[in-house]
Amino acid sequence: GQNIDQPTEMTATEGAIVQINCTYQTSGFNGLFWYQQHAGEAPTFLSYNVLDGLEEKGRFSSFLSRSKGYSYLLLKELQMKDSASYLCAALDSNYQLIWGAGTKLIIKP
Amino acid sequence: IAGITQAPTSQILAAGRRMTLRCTQDMRHNAMYWYRQDLGLGLRLIHYSNTAGTTGKGEVPDGYSVSRANTDDFPLTLASAVPSQTSVYFCASSDGQGLDGYTFGSGTRLTVV
Repeated sequence: GQNIDQPTEMTATEGAIVQINCTYQTSGFNGLFWYQQHAGEAPTFLSYNVLDGLEEKGRFSSFLSRSKGYSYLLLKELQMKDSASYLCAALDSNYQLIWGAGTKLIIKP
Repeated sequence: IAGITQAPTSQILAAGRRMTLRCTQDMRHNAMYWYRQDLGLGLRLIHYSNTAGTTGKGEVPDGYSVSRANTDDFPLTLASAVPSQTSVYFCASSDGQGLDGYTFGSGTRLTVV
């Protein structure tokens, strides 16, 4: 079957760095997405990786290892506004997104 | 502003009633999707449409129907609402094979009592 695993909840301190891990098993693979979702709002696109390696975009970076079925989202210089859920999703062979349940990130001052 | 519009924003519905959630996009995306999001379960696909005139079933299609008469509109209908359909419903769209990601509407919060 198809499956995405990510931690349910993480806590970090303002100004620090946090890494949110995601493992996936899908029928075929056409890339890995990370989305941010603030409470009561719609998910918004953060990153897309299809090749192995690290993609950096400002304070956020995303890493992919296709051989390990593994990705992480790295958030640096955490700000209170980064408190949100982070959703990992893999694009399968039919170009359908398979979603993880999301990681709720709590930022403490 | 280009994007997806969903209506209504929220609704309280009596069990057994029929309800249509509206979704309109102005980005000319070929693919559209309906998801429900429940606490702890993440986003679950209800129905999708790869192009106008075609629809497909997702992970949790029972009790829901969709139509795609044109590129822009993708309404979701609950024929006879039940309390287990209480959820937040998101409509999304993507271009091509979705490699640029999905764009989401702001959601409809539905409570069936």
